[in-house]
Amino acid sequence: SAVISQKPSRDICQRGTSLTIQCQVDSQVTMMFWYRQQPGQSLTLIATANQGSEATYESGFVIDKFPISRPNLTFSTLTVSNMSPEDSSIYLCSVLQGREQYFGPGTRLTVT
Amino acid sequence: GQQVMQIPQYQHVQEGEDFTTYCNSSTTLSNIQWYKQRPGGHPVFLIQLVKSGEVKKQKRLTFQFGEAKKNSSLHITATQTTDVGTYFCAGDPGASKIIFGSGTRLSIRP
Repeated sequence: SAVISQKPSRDICQRGTSLTIQCQVDSQVTMMFWYRQQPGQSLTLIATANQGSEATYESGFVIDKFPISRPNLTFSTLTVSNMSPEDSSIYLCSVLQGREQYFGPGTRLTVT
Repeated sequence: GQQVMQIPQYQHVQEGEDFTTYCNSSTTLSNIQWYKQRPGGHPVFLIQLVKSGEVKKQKRLTFQFGEAKKNSSLHITATQTTDVGTYFCAGDPGASKIIFGSGTRLSIRP
């Protein structure tokens, strides 16, 4: 099974600033995903990030707000840009390995 | 758009009672997965069902995939306090991405 780490684990940010979340996987994976989970809610897919290609964003999410990098098969970053309190959430990266999807521990973001 | 709904939203049971959560997709799925998320934790993969009508068991947990591959259920027999958490189904409509259901939060009275 894939082991995933995320940095930072949590942060409190001021509105208007940006935060970059890092996701590191202990093995090479083709498909990585970024999700958002608001407290007590389900997971919402933000985008799919494949190495060597532009990220594919889901409806309601745009690259200018959530730029993603995928420089290699073990690493990805998600930036939350120009933050507002509505961006307060847990952000999780995930990888698909075989038929199983593994999640990182998440980054808890609070925007004040 | 594609939606995956779960019922009930919450379930509070006495320890030892059974628990069932149901998952329904608006579209046919190539497979369905189930995850458990403990309070404060991240989702953990439990199982994947692929075949129409498939039934799989993991100890006290029984997973079923509907004949039309649009619904699924998870049944827990004789719940224990360690079963507490939110159970999510997640459907793959065949686009190599997972759509998560709304989740069922299970709480247990000891």
